[in-house]
Amino acid sequence: QVQLQESGPGLVKPSETLSLSCTVSGGSIIRYFWSWIRQPPGKGLEWIGYVSDSGSTHYNPSLKSRVIISVDTSKNHFSLRLSSVTAADSAVYYCARHIGGSYLVAYDIWGQGTMVTVSS
Amino acid sequence: EIVMTQSPPTLSVSAGERATLSCRASQSISSNLAWYQQKPGQAPRLLIYGASTRATGIPARFSGSGSGTEFTLTVSSLQSEDFAIYYCQHYNNWPCTFGQGTKLEIK
Repeated sequence: QVQLQESGPGLVKPSETLSLSCTVSGGSIIRYFWSWIRQPPGKGLEWIGYVSDSGSTHYNPSLKSRVIISVDTSKNHFSLRLSSVTAADSAVYYCARHIGGSYLVAYDIWGQGTMVTVSS
Repeated sequence: EIVMTQSPPTLSVSAGERATLSCRASQSISSNLAWYQQKPGQAPRLLIYGASTRATGIPARFSGSGSGTEFTLTVSSLQSEDFAIYYCQHYNNWPCTFGQGTKLEIK
């Protein structure tokens, strides 16, 4: 079955760029849309943005100026870059698959999540 | 941005009983609503999409209803593994947003 696995540094300094990758295993990244979603400790969920297999993207307006999401179909993975981070960006970051291959839908498969702390 | 409001924040129910969780959207979202279950240290798990369609592998004791702005998740005959936090999410337009969650705890 399809599985997602996030990877990247667990600690990022303030003002620097957070970079995470999500590897898709057990299935193809093709014909699906893929999102990043985050959850600060003890808080709710926030959608960050999505990327399609062709590289089209859409971002949350609250983060748009700092976010880049990209896809590498040859490696079956997609990535998140969030620049100029502050402590408010400390959160568990999840990658997730859009159900049914459409862009405006629910998320049926999630990675286990990776905690990123912003601190000097 | 559509605001999703869940109630109550915490719901105490005994095992074997029924739990009813509510989610309200700040404007109509048709049936573009999903419910997720999250246990401590785990990723959210999709339960319901399209307001009432169970996701693959979800037991029949989970059911969703509603359309427009008012939605309900019902868990009939609660099992021990059902005690968790539940989130609703709309996907009517961008950005999709989540409710703040309802914690379902054992009474």
